[in-house]
Amino acid sequence: GESVGLHLPTLSVQEGDNSIINCAYSNSASDYFIWYKQESGKGPQFIIDIRSNMDKRQGQRVTVLLNKTVKHLSLQIAATQPGDSAVYFCAECRSGNTPLVFGKGTRLSVIA
Amino acid sequence: EPEVTQTPSHQVTQMGQEVILRCVPISNHLYFYWYRQILGQKVEFLVSFYNNEISEKSEIFDDQFSVERPDGSNFTLKIRSTKLEDSAMYFCASRLRISTDTQYFGPGTRLTVL
Repeated sequence: GESVGLHLPTLSVQEGDNSIINCAYSNSASDYFIWYKQESGKGPQFIIDIRSNMDKRQGQRVTVLLNKTVKHLSLQIAATQPGDSAVYFCAECRSGNTPLVFGKGTRLSVIA
Repeated sequence: EPEVTQTPSHQVTQMGQEVILRCVPISNHLYFYWYRQILGQKVEFLVSFYNNEISEKSEIFDDQFSVERPDGSNFTLKIRSTKLEDSAMYFCASRLRISTDTQYFGPGTRLTVL
């Protein structure tokens, strides 16, 4: 079936380095993608989103890249901080009142 | 900043008992969702709700589950007869309107079925 998945289940980075978290999606009908951050015991927290008519979108310290050709999504975190340690999920949906389909998640650990 | 709230934060129940999980979506949002996350697994969609009716539901959302918006603020998920496998984190989410796709999540309710 169609699914959203992640290449790396865990990622450890040194504080101050940049982090890149990857995600593959398989539903070509999806046109909206979101990255969520989930800290232990908390709900998913919206980080950044991108629509399929864009290739790149930047936020504060975060950038999302979308490659529709290979159905790949990535989240780049600049100057990673200890507070960035969490599980990061990508999610996809089609515009409209459709449910989000989540990937498995990548755990980011920041080493001080 | 407005946020989705959920109560209780942790619910422990015996198998076969009914539970009601409560959510207060962001006040001007029109679309409401329940998702669940079994420990260590990904977040899974249960049901979406708009205009006082279910818009879509997953195969997980069987006849043991129901949702209701009893007043202008609360959005509830009821499990009539809980099973061990219902143990999970349950997240409520809300969205402003059809033209905005971002869903904002609450902190979750941890349901433990013994």
